[in-house]
Amino acid sequence: ELKVEQNPLFLSMQEEKNYTIYCNYSTTSDRLYWYRQDPGKSLESLFVLLSNGAVKQEGRLMASLDTKARLSTLHITAAVHDLSATYFCAVVGGTSYGKLTFGQGTILTVHP
Amino acid sequence: EAGVTQFPSHSVIEKGQTVTLRCDPISGHDNLYWYRRVMGKEIKFLLHFVKESKQDESGMPNNRFLAERTGGTYSTLKVQPAELEDSGVYFCASSKDFYEQYFGPGTRLTVT
Repeated sequence: ELKVEQNPLFLSMQEEKNYTIYCNYSTTSDRLYWYRQDPGKSLESLFVLLSNGAVKQEGRLMASLDTKARLSTLHITAAVHDLSATYFCAVVGGTSYGKLTFGQGTILTVHP
Repeated sequence: EAGVTQFPSHSVIEKGQTVTLRCDPISGHDNLYWYRRVMGKEIKFLLHFVKESKQDESGMPNNRFLAERTGGTYSTLKVQPAELEDSGVYFCASSKDFYEQYFGPGTRLTVT
């Protein structure tokens, strides 16, 4: 059974600091997603990572994938308050037709 | 283009009652997924429709849950009778292929 673990689950950061959220998964996966959720809103897709060594960046967020280690990271550079949200990683297994297996989510709070 | 919509946004019912949640996918999306997040836990897959057919219903917790997608358009998820442990946020997502899922805002179900 595919399992996905994120850490940390809670992250309180100061503005302008850097930090990384980690996402480990237990079995071979076709692709990995990072989502952002603001309170009461839908999940917004941030990144889709398809292959080993994939790196994608959007603004202050950068995601990478190491399929050999079954590890993805979401790096936050010079955090700002607007990045406060819950971040989820999710993985698609080999034969699951798009079925997503999610991590627990990381609640990020950025303080002035 | 309208996004995925869900109705109601919030439902409060008593244990033993019946509730029906509705999801309207993005027009033209054959794939429709239901997920659920119980308080404090990760988002879990419930089932996947391709058009009106159930592709995968391995995540449905028990036979109190019934999902339908008549005509391959909108979908309903009925819980009958509802139990306390059914409380949580129910998300619907749709996709044109298996690559990118678009999520609705969710329905928060509270069973008292």
